[in-house]
Amino acid sequence: DQQVKQNSPSLSVQEGRISILNCDYTNSMFDYFLWYKKYPAEGPTFLISISSIKDKNEDGRFTVFLNKSAKHLSLHIVPSQPGDSAVYFCAASPLGGADGLTFGKGTHLIIQP
Amino acid sequence: DSGVTQTPKHLITATGQRVTLRCSPRSGDLSVYWYQQSLDQGLQFLIQYYNGEERAKGNILERFSAQQFPDLHSELNLSSLELGDSALYFCASSRTSVPYEQYFGPGTRLTVT
Repeated sequence: DQQVKQNSPSLSVQEGRISILNCDYTNSMFDYFLWYKKYPAEGPTFLISISSIKDKNEDGRFTVFLNKSAKHLSLHIVPSQPGDSAVYFCAASPLGGADGLTFGKGTHLIIQP
Repeated sequence: DSGVTQTPKHLITATGQRVTLRCSPRSGDLSVYWYQQSLDQGLQFLIQYYNGEERAKGNILERFSAQQFPDLHSELNLSSLELGDSALYFCASSRTSVPYEQYFGPGTRLTVT
């Protein structure tokens, strides 16, 4: 039973355009959401997070949107750059984090020149 | 560089054997988390230790165990290894017991033959 789902295994976007990565979750106890970025042969790197009391959080080129009623979040990258090519993982945690982080299977983002 | 170190980088062993993976958290971080990433799965949370005590348990097999030492480094012990245990094992750390912004090590790739 996958509680965090990233339904697009890969996404190809042209350099300079907007990249939109999507994530759905099923567990209504999830209260905090994070995005991680992973390059080959490296560990995941924390990118941006959002609490359930907000619907948007922005950090430079990265914006995360949360729609609690739809149990959906998305990561927007504007403008997309070649260095953004990586696997992006969505993760979620219940309040207090008693069960650790639950990760999706990831979306491989490819930025084309 | 996240500041989290993991050794060894690669490990090849035979079925039925026992191995120990080691993790040193970022300076000042009190929590250590262990994750398993198999080929067809996302990151699966195994276990969390906070300041030497077990705090949260995920999908960790009974053949696996972990501990966190007084200097806060952690070891993950995998015994009676099976072919299906071949995976990338990541360690992550965070400042507090809440697993929000975690910092990941580069991982240990375990191959069981």
